Amino acid sequence: AQKVTQAQTEISVVEKEDVTLDCVYETRDTTYYLFWYKQPPSGELVFLIRRNSFDEQNEISGRYSWNFQKSTSSFNFTITASQVVDSAVYFCALSEAYNPGGKLIFGQGTELSVKP
Amino acid sequence: GAGVSQSPSNKVTEKGKDVELRCDPISGHTALYWYRQSLGQGLEFLIYFQGNSAPDKSGLPSDRFSAERTGGSVSTLTIQRTQQEDSAVYLCASSFPGRSGQSYNEQFFGPGTRLTVL
Repeated sequence: AQKVTQAQTEISVVEKEDVTLDCVYETRDTTYYLFWYKQPPSGELVFLIRRNSFDEQNEISGRYSWNFQKSTSSFNFTITASQVVDSAVYFCALSEAYNPGGKLIFGQGTELSVKP
Repeated sequence: GAGVSQSPSNKVTEKGKDVELRCDPISGHTALYWYRQSLGQGLEFLIYFQGNSAPDKSGLPSDRFSAERTGGSVSTLTIQRTQQEDSAVYLCASSFPGRSGQSYNEQFFGPGTRLTVL
């Protein structure tokens, strides 16, 4: 069965701290895609990254980095030197290749609060 | 507009009434999705359209829910005989299909329609 688990419901950090958001997934498919989305207080989901199951290379984009490890079925997201504007709910999601259209299966989300 | 638009932004209705929610996807995006976000259930997939057809309706919670898409563009989600448990934010997303015709590219989300059933 497909499932995404974000065990951290809420995280609170002080500005400039590094923070890692955990994501663990379950799938029987060998071809799948993993995503991270950000939902700021305004409510609109913003795409951050997509990674396919054949590409385990870690990715860095500015202060954001992602660590994909198939051996542990994890796709963790790290924010370096966090800022107040990073405060949002972050969702990890899975899309399986056998599903027509690639519907997203979301984790429950992690609410990140960055305090000045 | 450049992004996905949804209307209305807020809808308050009485239990038992029917409601229609509208989604206007990004121009050129042939894939369209409806999701629901509620406190108890998180973000749940409802239905997927490719063009005007819906190959995946597996997320529709009951036969009170239906959706259609016309002209490969605008989509309408209809909830009949609304119940209080239907209260949620209904999100629409669109995507451009990949080379194989399947759509695993990033989905772009609209601002949502907040539905409150009294």
